[in-house]
Amino acid sequence: KNQVEQSPQSLIILEGKNCTLQCNYTVSPFSNLRWYKQDTGRGPVSLTIMTFSENTKSNGRYTATLDADTKQSSLHITASQLSDSASYICVVSDRGSTLGRLYFGRGTQLTVWP
Amino acid sequence: EADIYQTPRYLVIGTGKKITLECSQTMGHDKMYWYQQDPGMELHLIHYSYGVNSTEKGDLSSESTVSRIRTEHFPLTLESARPSHTSQYLCASSTSGSTDTQYFGPGTRLTVL
Repeated sequence: KNQVEQSPQSLIILEGKNCTLQCNYTVSPFSNLRWYKQDTGRGPVSLTIMTFSENTKSNGRYTATLDADTKQSSLHITASQLSDSASYICVVSDRGSTLGRLYFGRGTQLTVWP
Repeated sequence: EADIYQTPRYLVIGTGKKITLECSQTMGHDKMYWYQQDPGMELHLIHYSYGVNSTEKGDLSSESTVSRIRTEHFPLTLESARPSHTSQYLCASSTSGSTDTQYFGPGTRLTVL
């Protein structure tokens, strides 16, 4: 069964600290993996996308890694800011159809305290 | 900021009412999607469209219906709302490539009493 599991479910850190969010998936065949940021009451916004051949991708203070062999990804946030408080969602796409079907994780709820 | 809009943002309605959730995008995207999301849970695809006059049901069974008469417009309709329909509904669009990013609207929070 194609699944995307994220950990931790929630995380609280102090402003300025770093953190790492985890994503494990069983989706096959694999096409790409994205990390989205979803602010409360808003739609998700794409942060990074990685295909099979890529193992790291950065977007400002966000750095995503991908290990396609172990089917794991992480999102590292450096020098966290209050505005980083949001849900971070891991989304994996398969190659099984023309739709490029997406499998969503439940997200990690990050709270940054001052 | 993506140019995809949803109205209303919040809707509280009584059981049995007919409702239409609006979604419009100005990016000229061929593909559009409707997702349902409950608090703390993953997004579930309920409808999608490849283009005008093309609509398909998604993975999660839904009593809602959609139409795609114009490229930019993808409304979702519930003929008779029930409390089980209470959820957040997110609309998204993307270009035709299989790896292209989906751009999401702000969502409609629906509460059926």
